[in-house]
Formats: sequence, structure tokens, C-alpha cells
Amino acid sequence: AQSVSQHNHHVILSEAASLELGCNYSYGGTVNLFWYVQYPGQHLQLLLKYFSGDPLVKGIKGFEAEFIKSKFSFNLRKPSVQWSDTAEYFCAVIPSGGYNKLIFGAGTRLAVHP
Amino acid sequence: NAGVTQTPKFQVLKTGQSMTLQCAQDMNHNSMYWYRQDPGMGLRLIYYSASEGTTDKGEVPNGYNVSRLNKREFSLRLESAAPSQTSVYFCASNWQAEQYFGPGTRLTVT
Repeated sequence: AQSVSQHNHHVILSEAASLELGCNYSYGGTVNLFWYVQYPGQHLQLLLKYFSGDPLVKGIKGFEAEFIKSKFSFNLRKPSVQWSDTAEYFCAVIPSGGYNKLIFGAGTRLAVHP
Repeated sequence: NAGVTQTPKFQVLKTGQSMTLQCAQDMNHNSMYWYRQDPGMGLRLIYYSASEGTTDKGEVPNGYNVSRLNKREFSLRLESAAPSQTSVYFCASNWQAEQYFGPGTRLTVT
């Protein structure tokens, strides 16, 4: 079955630390890739997306992600986190021909301490 | 633009009761979706509607029904609520593979 794996369920960092959240997917064909963020008590917002082209994509709030096709990975990075980045982060995939149905990972809860 | 709106925000039901969750979007999007979010499981697709007049099952459709009333509205119905349906429910609409989410409905079934 198609799946999306996020390896870190909980991450705790201090402000100014660097962040990398892992995401791997199991679908072998063409995919569209996304990272969504959910701040406490809020709905999901799109951080960034990859459809094609440059595999390094930049999103809002200083986040970026790199698509590595050979590794079926789409890891999220930020060089220096802030307390306001405390949230839950979801990786998601739309396989081609998937009628835009998102397949989500389980999520990673990030807590940033001042 | 209100985007995607959902009502109610919170609901408590007793086992066996029924209810309908409402969703509307004002972005003229064709596709709409219902997800449920459970701790440690991410979001899972319940039903979707690729266009007005069509609906299809997602990953976890059992115990739910949907209606695509018109292009704007997509409702989710629980005919006989069960404690396993305690969850946060999100509606979304889609434009060019990017989904826009509503604020969610937190449902508790006792």
C-alpha cells in the first residue's frame, strides 16, 4: 500500500538550532509532495510544495525541502528555528492519477524552547 | 473570501446519535474532501468529491456518508455515531493540486 513515513514523532529543540524532519514515501511513480504545518489550535497551512523542476524548494517562514527521487525522500529543513515554529508538521503526497487525494504521514510534533 | 468554512466547531454526541458536519468553500473549487485527524495517525481521507454531483470513498469511509449539495457545499453525515468516531474532522477544497483546509470540527462521541 502507498504510504508516507515520518521518522520523528516528537522533536524538541532550542531556539536557533537547526531542524531537519525526515519524510519518505513508498509510491514509485510521479508524485506531488507537500509539507503542511498545524500551529496549536489552528488548521493546516501549506508550508511548501514540489511538483517538478528544481528539487530544492523554498517555502514560507524560512523553510525549505529537498526532493531526492532515488531515496523517495522529501526532508524539511530550517537553519535556525524560533519559538513560533512550535507546531505539528505533516508530509503529504499526491501520486499521479490520484485525483488530488493527499496521503499524509503521521506528523511530527516540534517543540522549540526559548 | 472566507475560504473553507466548517460548522460546528465543537460537538458532543452520545453513541447512536446522528449529525451532519457542514462545509462550504467560496473559491469556486471543483474538488472537495473530508479528512479525520487522530493522534499519531496524521489525516486520513474519509470521502472526496472530484466535482459537483460525484462522490467517492477514501481510506476510512465506514460509518459516514456525504452529500455534495452544490459546488460550494460538501457535508459529512454520521448516521449512528460510535466512540471510534471521536476525532477532529477537516474539510478541504482543491485548486491545482493544492488543498485549502477549513478550521476543523472537534467531535466527541460518548
